[in-house]
Amino acid sequence: AQSVTQLDSQVPVFEEAPVELRCNYSSSVSVYLFWYVQYPNQGLQLLLKYLSGSTLVKGINGFEAEFNKSQTSFHLRKPSVHISDTAEYFCAVRRNNNDMRFGAGTRLTVKP
Amino acid sequence: ETGVTQSPTHLIKTRGQQVTLRCSSQSGHNTVSWYQQALGQGPQFIFQYYREEENGRGNFPPRFSGLQFPNYSSELNVNALELDDSALYLCASSLEQGANYGYTFGSGTRLTVV
Repeated sequence: AQSVTQLDSQVPVFEEAPVELRCNYSSSVSVYLFWYVQYPNQGLQLLLKYLSGSTLVKGINGFEAEFNKSQTSFHLRKPSVHISDTAEYFCAVRRNNNDMRFGAGTRLTVKP
Repeated sequence: ETGVTQSPTHLIKTRGQQVTLRCSSQSGHNTVSWYQQALGQGPQFIFQYYREEENGRGNFPPRFSGLQFPNYSSELNVNALELDDSALYLCASSLEQGANYGYTFGSGTRLTVV
């Protein structure tokens, strides 16, 4: 079975500062990895995904993530955040055709 | 293209009652998954339907059941509601069941059981 651990439940950061949201997964087989963002009272929106190939994945809104197989991590980064990036971020893992499993989420708060 | 539409957006039910939540998939998507998101937690997988057949189920009791219709819209039914069923219920559709196909999520139905 696969599981996802998001290491930080809350990350406060000042506007224009860099940010990293950490995600580790556990699985004995190859998986597909995703990051989703959820704004208040909305569903989840896909930021980026890793399926295969280059371990550095670029997504929407200036976010990127790096797949590290040896450390079983898929951390999300942005070099300079905006107030509008304040939201809940979820890391997710999926194996073959099985269901997608989500982490508990990281609340990113960008302060002026 | 239309996205995923869920109805109703909010619902209040009494413990012991039954509820039906509805989801219209994104056009052309034949796979739908339902998730329960309790307050402050990540979404938990309930089940998935692929071409009208249940294609996987999470750790939820049988009183959680579903249907997928020929037009790929879907329903989630919950019987004998409990207080802990209060949550945001999310529907997600995808083009196929393969893992490389992304999910499109609806905005959810907020269910409150009192």
